[in-house]
Amino acid sequence: SQQGEEDPQALSIQEGENATMNCSYKTSINNLQWYRQNSGRGLVHLILIRSNEREKHSGRLRVTLDTSKKSSSLLITASRAADTASYFCATSDKLIFGTGTRLQVFP
Amino acid sequence: GAVVSQHPSWVICKSGTSVKIECRSLDFQATTMFWYRQFPKQSLMLMATSNEGSKATYEQGVEKDKFLINHASLTLSTLTVTSAHPEDSSFYICSASSHDSNKNIQYFGAGTRLSVL
Repeated sequence: SQQGEEDPQALSIQEGENATMNCSYKTSINNLQWYRQNSGRGLVHLILIRSNEREKHSGRLRVTLDTSKKSSSLLITASRAADTASYFCATSDKLIFGTGTRLQVFP
Repeated sequence: GAVVSQHPSWVICKSGTSVKIECRSLDFQATTMFWYRQFPKQSLMLMATSNEGSKATYEQGVEKDKFLINHASLTLSTLTVTSAHPEDSSFYICSASSHDSNKNIQYFGAGTRLSVL
């Protein structure tokens, strides 16, 4: 079974709005990563947050991690049409991917 | 950033034939490579992990005689789908990681879409 479960499964927003995606996982982790996948393409690593970190920023991305709730969130601020993609969380050494959130940003 | 090249990007083959997919790390040495399979609108499912010079470790339910993996060098791993059948049609993605780079971060190829007729 999959380790991570993202929600929502799909999200549609207007350009300029913020997008928030959540990830829940089942077992203890060393780190959690977020990846992005454009349709029919490979994945691109976005950000890694370690189990002893609570929040991390990278450009317009903000990731939080709550190990007590076994959950993480990815916030994309001031979204752009180019952010349209699927976003996956993955945990620890052997990346186990969640089901992904399909984000659609309308211009 | 680290670049992983996957070839071919798309292949159509007849049932019963074998297909080889290549995964190359272009600007770093990949000590570990991973092979994933993805069905439409679904997540990536890890098929196997391969370390250079050793046999691949397959995930439960993945037939190692069906999906042959070779990782003969630090820059190349291949996945051969033997005697392909229509149910093998899928999107196959490789990734690579290096002990010299940020640990656990994987760099992905662009994927190979396999269609078996």
